[in-house]
Amino acid sequence: AQSVTQLDSQVPVFEEAPVELRCNYSSSVSVYLFWYVQYPNQGLQLLLKYLSGSTLVKGINGFEAEFNKSQTSFHLRKPSVHISDTAEYFCAVSRKSFNKFYFGSGTKLNVKP
Amino acid sequence: DAGVIQSPRHEVTEMGQEVTLRCKPISGHNSLFWYRQTMMRGLELLIYFNNNVPIDDSGMPEDRFSAKMPNASFSTLKIQPSEPRDSAVYFCASSGGGASGDTDTQYFGPGTRLTVL
Repeated sequence: AQSVTQLDSQVPVFEEAPVELRCNYSSSVSVYLFWYVQYPNQGLQLLLKYLSGSTLVKGINGFEAEFNKSQTSFHLRKPSVHISDTAEYFCAVSRKSFNKFYFGSGTKLNVKP
Repeated sequence: DAGVIQSPRHEVTEMGQEVTLRCKPISGHNSLFWYRQTMMRGLELLIYFNNNVPIDDSGMPEDRFSAKMPNASFSTLKIQPSEPRDSAVYFCASSGGGASGDTDTQYFGPGTRLTVL
């Protein structure tokens, strides 16, 4: 079975500072990896995904994530955050050729002025 | 495309009443998922369908919950009778096929916020 761990439930950061949201997964098979963002009172929106190829994936709003197979990690980064990035971020994993997603518990990013 | 459509957006009901949540997936998608999100338990997968057939309903909390997908463009999640602990945001998501052929990504609707008094 797959599992996803987001160690940080909340990450406070000042505007224009860099941020990294951590995600680790456990799986014995090849997986697809995703980051979703949820703004207050909204649904989940796809930020970026890793299916294959380059381990550095770029997404929307200046976010990027790096797949590290040896460390089973898929950390999300942004070099300079904005107030508008305040949201909850979810990491998810699915097995290749399977539909079922496993979501982490989410990390609330709070960007302060 | 309009994305995944859910209705109603908000539902307030009294304990014991029947509640029906509705979802229209993205046209051409062949997989549909129902999730529940609460502060205590986070995001939980309740059930998912592939080609209108329920594949995994292990997340359905109990017999009070039921889901149907009578055709490729419509699904319902029903709670009967409802209880206060069912209060949550319920999301529908779809994936697979479509114009982009993106079979590996789930696209979420805006959710239905359910409050059971």
